[in-house]
Parts: sequence; C-alpha cells; structure tokens
Amino acid sequence: QVQLVQSGTEVKKPGASVKVSCKASGYTFSSYSISWVRQAPGQGLEWMGWISGYNGNTNYAQKFQGRVTMTTDTSTNTANMELRSLRSDDTAVYYCARVGTYYFDSWGQGTLVTVSS
Amino acid sequence: DIVMTQSPESLAVSLGERATINCKSSQSVLFDSNNKNYLAWYQQKPGHPPKLLIYWASIRESGVPDRFSGSGSGTDFTLTISSLQAEDVALYYCQQYHRTPLTFGGGTKVEIK
Repeated sequence: QVQLVQSGTEVKKPGASVKVSCKASGYTFSSYSISWVRQAPGQGLEWMGWISGYNGNTNYAQKFQGRVTMTTDTSTNTANMELRSLRSDDTAVYYCARVGTYYFDSWGQGTLVTVSS
Repeated sequence: DIVMTQSPESLAVSLGERATINCKSSQSVLFDSNNKNYLAWYQQKPGHPPKLLIYWASIRESGVPDRFSGSGSGTDFTLTISSLQAEDVALYYCQQYHRTPLTFGGGTKVEIK
C-alpha cells in the first residue's frame, strides 16, 4: 500500500532553515508528483508547491517563492522540502502528499516545525 | 487566486441524520475541454492528516463509505453525509485543483448533536 513517512519534529530559531523529508513506498515514485501542504495550529490547509517525481520540475506557491526548495532523491524514493529564513508564523505541521491527478490521494503523517526564540 | 468559501463553519447533526456542507469557489473550477470539475473533498480527524474522500467533485475514493457523496458544478459544490455516524466527527475541507496556487476552503467542523 502507498506509504509516505516523514521525518520527525523540528524546533528552530527565527532566521534558521528546516528540511523535512518524506520517504515514499508502495508505488512507482517517478509516476507521481509530491506536494507539500502546511497547517498552522488550529488553522486550515495551505498549499506550498509540488515537485515531479519524474523529472524534479517544481511549481511553488508565490507566497513561498525564494524561500522554499523542494527536491527529490530517486535512489531512495524521498522528497525533501527546505524552508529558509524561518519566522514564528511558519510554525505549523508540514505534510507531504502524493498528487493523483492534481488532488492529493495519500498523505504523510505530518511533521511539526516549531519556530521560537 | 481562487478563493474557496465553505459554509457553515460548523454544524451539529444527530446520529443517523443528514449533514450537508457547502463550498463555493470565486471562479469556476469546471474545465470545459473535459467537462470535469477540479474539486476535491477531504476529511481530517484531530491529530491526523487529511484523507481524500471525493475527487472530480463527485467521484468517491476507493474505500470511502457510500454515505458520503459530492455534487455540484462550476462554482457551487456540496458534500453530503447521508446518515451521520459517530466516526464522521471531523473537519471537512474542499480544495480546487483547477489552477495553481491550489487552494482549500476554511473547513467545516461536523459534530454530533
């Protein structure tokens, strides 16, 4: 079955960077894109962008352009999301999700990133 | 950006009764060339990631109980739970994937009355 397993909780100081990983199994990694969605405490869902598992092409939400980098490692079927220049309002649970035909058909368990001085 | 507006923000329904959630998009999410509405619904329980329920506005994901149904076209959509069960207590989100940035509604909390 499809599984997306994310890296663990992170605590960062303002201005730092964080890298979250998402290891995929149970399907052909190169046949799907991976998207990243975040959810601030008690808030709704916010799409950050996606990366093709086939060729690494990316599409970032304008809000995160210049601050986010999404990558893949096809040798380990892992997608990564790095967010730089962290602020307190970046505190959120970050999810990776497999992209079906643009909708998200499987999700990782989420990674809590806390930004605090 | 396409703004997704859900209503109500919360609703309380008796067990076995119908729950109806509305979702309105600021622009049509119907793609004329294939006559498909680029609209999905997700269920999220506390401490868990969202789970896909419905895609293409009305197609139930494999394994989703048939008490869940989606309808609508263009800019107005509805998620219906025909007979609410205790395990359906959750937050529900609509999402458009017609164009980037992909956007979600603000969520509707469903509780038992």
